[in-house]
Amino acid sequence: QSALTQPASVSGSPGQSIAISCTGTSNDIGAYNVVSWYQLQPGKAPKLIIYDVNEGPSGVSNRFSGSKSGNTASLTISDLQPEDEADYFCCSYAGTPTYWVFGGGTKLTVL
Amino acid sequence: QEQLEQSGAEMKTPGASVKVSCKASGYNFINYDISWVRQAPGQGLEWMGWMNPSSGNTDYAQRFQGRVAMTRSTSTDTAYMELRSLRSDDTAMYYCARRRRSGWSFDSWGQGTLVTVSS
Repeated sequence: QSALTQPASVSGSPGQSIAISCTGTSNDIGAYNVVSWYQLQPGKAPKLIIYDVNEGPSGVSNRFSGSKSGNTASLTISDLQPEDEADYFCCSYAGTPTYWVFGGGTKLTVL
Repeated sequence: QEQLEQSGAEMKTPGASVKVSCKASGYNFINYDISWVRQAPGQGLEWMGWMNPSSGNTDYAQRFQGRVAMTRSTSTDTAYMELRSLRSDDTAMYYCARRRRSGWSFDSWGQGTLVTVSS
């Protein structure tokens, strides 16, 4: 059982937008503005796509955006592309002694 | 370009230990904390612990306390994670990840090391 709750799967067609939710508690997502999102594709190293709730690292498409309200964070991917098909994980710092908690992951299928 | 290169897949029997390496390149190794994160089959990611490569200071997730050790070699810019008393539920992909400078996310990851524990 992961500390953060994500939907197991989402899907969308090319060009559409999708959102992935990530629900935590007042001890993690609700306490700190440091939610991050990672993209995992088979055979590749995980990739940071959003940090500090809504900041995009250099080199990551601006089609990826993040937000947070209370204990829930969201990742939005606009203008879906076939190469976006991957597993997406959310993460939040949770203070000591827990440090970091992750979600169970969401499989994105681009139809 | 910063890169983390991990050692190859391991197969172990229950009760054994495994030591996974993570070699850093393209940046100053001692300036960024390294965490270890694992993903068991069909499960989410799980943070195991972190190490400061400069001081060697570590802190581990409670559930791994007493069973994990994170070390480093500053001469080879390599971080290590050793997990002892392996059980079948330790079967997972193990990743090293660099913590973003002055931040709370992980901006560079290794490619993963599959550890299989089976009798």
